[in-house]
Amino acid sequence: AQSVTQLDSHVSVSEGTPVLLRCNYSSSYSPSLFWYVQHPNKGLQLLLKYTSAATLVKGINGFEAEFKKSETSFHLTKPSAHMSDAAEYFCARANTGNQFYFGTGTSLTVIP
Amino acid sequence: DTAVSQTPKYLVTQMGNDKSIKCEQNLGHDTMYWYKQDSKKFLKIMFSYNNKELIINETVPNRFSPKSPDKAHLNLHINSLELGDSAVYFCASSVRQDSPEAFFGQGTRLTVV
Repeated sequence: AQSVTQLDSHVSVSEGTPVLLRCNYSSSYSPSLFWYVQHPNKGLQLLLKYTSAATLVKGINGFEAEFKKSETSFHLTKPSAHMSDAAEYFCARANTGNQFYFGTGTSLTVIP
Repeated sequence: DTAVSQTPKYLVTQMGNDKSIKCEQNLGHDTMYWYKQDSKKFLKIMFSYNNKELIINETVPNRFSPKSPDKAHLNLHINSLELGDSAVYFCASSVRQDSPEAFFGQGTRLTVV
């Protein structure tokens, strides 16, 4: 089955330190991959997307992700965490019928 | 200028009631979706409509009935609500059926008591 797996349900980092949120996908071809963020009681906001162009994708708020086909990974990173980054992050993929499959989410806590 | 808007934002209702959630998008997109996010934050697609026609209907109880009067609207009607229906329901849209990006609404938090 085509899916995405988020390897960590919770990640805690100190403010100003790097953020790494891990996502692996299963597929026999290069999928379209996304990272969404959900702040408490808010909707989903698109952070960035990979659609078979450049493998290093830059998103909003200083986030970026690198598509690594050899590792079937699409990890989300940010050099320096900010308090406002605390939220739930979802990795997602879209199949050819544009049905989105979401990971189970990673809750990011930023410690002051 | 909300791109995808859902109403209501919060909905608390008793078991057995019938309720509707409305969704409208002003992006001119052809395709709209309903997703359910459960208490563990897992998002699962329920329905997808393309130009008012149903294209994806995942395994959901037939108490859930989507209705698309036009391609800018996709409403979700739920009959005989059950406790397990409590969740956050997200509406989304994309330019067309094969567009690899979806825009989501703010979600409707449904609580069945």
